Amino acid sequence: QSALTQPASVSGSPGQSITISCTGTSSDVGGYNFVSWYQHHPGKAPKLIIFDVNNRPSGVSDRFSGSRSGDTASLTISGLQAEDEADYYCSSYTSTSTYYVFGIGTKVTVL
Amino acid sequence: EVQVVESGGGLVQPGRSLRLSCTASGFTFGDFAMSWFRQAPGKGLEWLAFIRTEVYGETTEYAASVKGRFTISRDDSKSIVYLQMNSLRAEDAAVYYCARGSTMIRGVITTFDIWGQGAVVTVSS
Repeated sequence: QSALTQPASVSGSPGQSITISCTGTSSDVGGYNFVSWYQHHPGKAPKLIIFDVNNRPSGVSDRFSGSRSGDTASLTISGLQAEDEADYYCSSYTSTSTYYVFGIGTKVTVL
Repeated sequence: EVQVVESGGGLVQPGRSLRLSCTASGFTFGDFAMSWFRQAPGKGLEWLAFIRTEVYGETTEYAASVKGRFTISRDDSKSIVYLQMNSLRAEDAAVYYCARGSTMIRGVITTFDIWGQGAVVTVSS
């Protein structure tokens, strides 16, 4: 069982906005500004799309945004496009000896 | 192009060993900490180990699940990070990823920005 809780799936129509939640604890998501989000197309390399809760790496579309409220982080994809169909994972640094925890991933389907 | 590429995966019998390699290109390898992760079928990503740079003495950290069985090491002259896996078990079967640590604060990586496509490890007799 993953340490961070994500919904198994989220879907939306092209052009819509969707939000994926990622719930942890005060030892990880709620306690540190080191929350990341990854986009993963099966068979390809995971791609960092959000780091430090709400920062986008250079080259990542501004349709992706991150936020956090308490122990829950969120990834919002606006203007949903067919190419956004992928698995999305959240991750956080944790004060436990595990160092890093992940969610089990959310499958985004573009209808 | 900045990239990392894993190799060395395959089928191995329980109790045997396997060494994975991760070859980096497009950046100054010695300036970055490196890490290994895995994803077992139907499960989420799991962090396994990371190795700091020479400036930090190439010190290492491990997840409890692999400590004592897996060893991470690096060869900056070849831009390669290794994962030596011993006493493999069925539950070690997974896709193994290496990733670059882009940011380090107080000796801990806070962001992993470049990932490889993964190497498949199957553990079966």
